[in-house]
Amino acid sequence: GESVGLHLPTLSVQEGDNSIINCAYSNSASDYFIWYKQESGKGPQFIIDIRSNMDKRQGQRVTVLLNKTVKHLSLQIAATQPGDSAVYFCAENKRGSARQLTFGSGTQLTVLP
Amino acid sequence: DSGVTQTPKHLITATGQRVTLRCSPRSGDLSVYWYQQSLDQGLQFLIQYYNGEERAKGNILERFSAQQFPDLHSELNLSSLELGDSALYFCASSPLSSEVGELFFGEGSRLTVL
Repeated sequence: GESVGLHLPTLSVQEGDNSIINCAYSNSASDYFIWYKQESGKGPQFIIDIRSNMDKRQGQRVTVLLNKTVKHLSLQIAATQPGDSAVYFCAENKRGSARQLTFGSGTQLTVLP
Repeated sequence: DSGVTQTPKHLITATGQRVTLRCSPRSGDLSVYWYQQSLDQGLQFLIQYYNGEERAKGNILERFSAQQFPDLHSELNLSSLELGDSALYFCASSPLSSEVGELFFGEGSRLTVL
């Protein structure tokens, strides 16, 4: 079936620590996976994406890892800051359906002082 | 600020009524997407328009319709409203040459059906 799920609904980390948010997917036909961040009262904001033919991609303080063998996607945030507190969604982009995203249920990241 | 503007920000109405949500995409973006975010269903793709024409449909009810005008703004029309239609409705736009998957979302229109 087509679904994108997240392992944990909430995650709390200490400021300065690294955060890892996980996501499982089931649709092998997806060609892109994307992470979005949604702050309270705002719309989702693009963080980073990764093509299905890649294993890893790095951005500014963020790294996305893709393990196609176990259909697992993760977002790593280095040196987590209070401004990182938000809900994080993984989403898949099915091949041939540009930007018609299927979103997971989201993980609430809380950064503790 | 994503550059995508949605109005109204909040809307309260009664069951059976009809509402129209408006979206102005980022300057130069030809594609407009509508998504619904509810507590039980999460973020769901509804419909996409590209340069005035419908490009793709997702989980959009027959009571809902949308259009994109020549000036590229879009409207989402919701009719015969039910309690379950209460949700955040997001519009997103994308540029021609952006990476696949990168959508710019507005801040949403919160619809409450009483």
